[in-house]
Amino acid sequence: AQSVSQHNHHVILSEAASLELGCNYSYGGTVNLFWYVQYPGQHLQLLLKYFSGDPLVKGIKGFEAEFIKSKFSFNLRKPSVQWSDTAEYFCAVGGTGGSYIPTFGRGTSLIVHP
Amino acid sequence: EADIYQTPRYLVIGTGKKITLECSQTMGHDKMYWYQQDPGMELHLIHYSYGVNSTEKGDLSSESTVSRIRTEHFPLTLESARPSHTSQYLCASSEFTGATGELFFGEGSRLTVL
Repeated sequence: AQSVSQHNHHVILSEAASLELGCNYSYGGTVNLFWYVQYPGQHLQLLLKYFSGDPLVKGIKGFEAEFIKSKFSFNLRKPSVQWSDTAEYFCAVGGTGGSYIPTFGRGTSLIVHP
Repeated sequence: EADIYQTPRYLVIGTGKKITLECSQTMGHDKMYWYQQDPGMELHLIHYSYGVNSTEKGDLSSESTVSRIRTEHFPLTLESARPSHTSQYLCASSEFTGATGELFFGEGSRLTVL
């Protein structure tokens, strides 16, 4: 069975600080990888995704993530966070074969102080 | 902008009541999902559907039931609500592409059972 581990459950930063949120997964086959974001009072939405190709993917609002296959990791980064990045961030993994049901991590709550 | 709608957004009911959480999407997606989300916890898949007349139970055991009579509609029903059912329920949909694609989420239904 696939699983997703997000190491940081709560992160507090000041504006302009750099961000890196860890995500490791366990899955025996080829994967599709996702980061979703949930802003306060809003629905979950896609931040970025990796299907194949360049392991460094760029998403909305200046976020990027790097897929390192040997480490089973898909860490999310942003060089300089803003107050508006305050949100809950979820890493998810899904197979490219089988039932294709995505599995989500526990989420990381990010608070950015102005 | 995703077009997936959940009603009610908030519901407070007494133990033993029957409730139905509605979910509709206008994107024509084949795959639909119900996740249960509790604070600080992973999103747990409770039901999913690959299309009309297809329903499957997810990883998390749930006393709820679902139906998929129309592509756009995927309601979740609890025949007799209990306090342990208090949670947020998220509906999502995705295109059936033969792999795990992007999920589009509704805004959620927060259920409180007294």
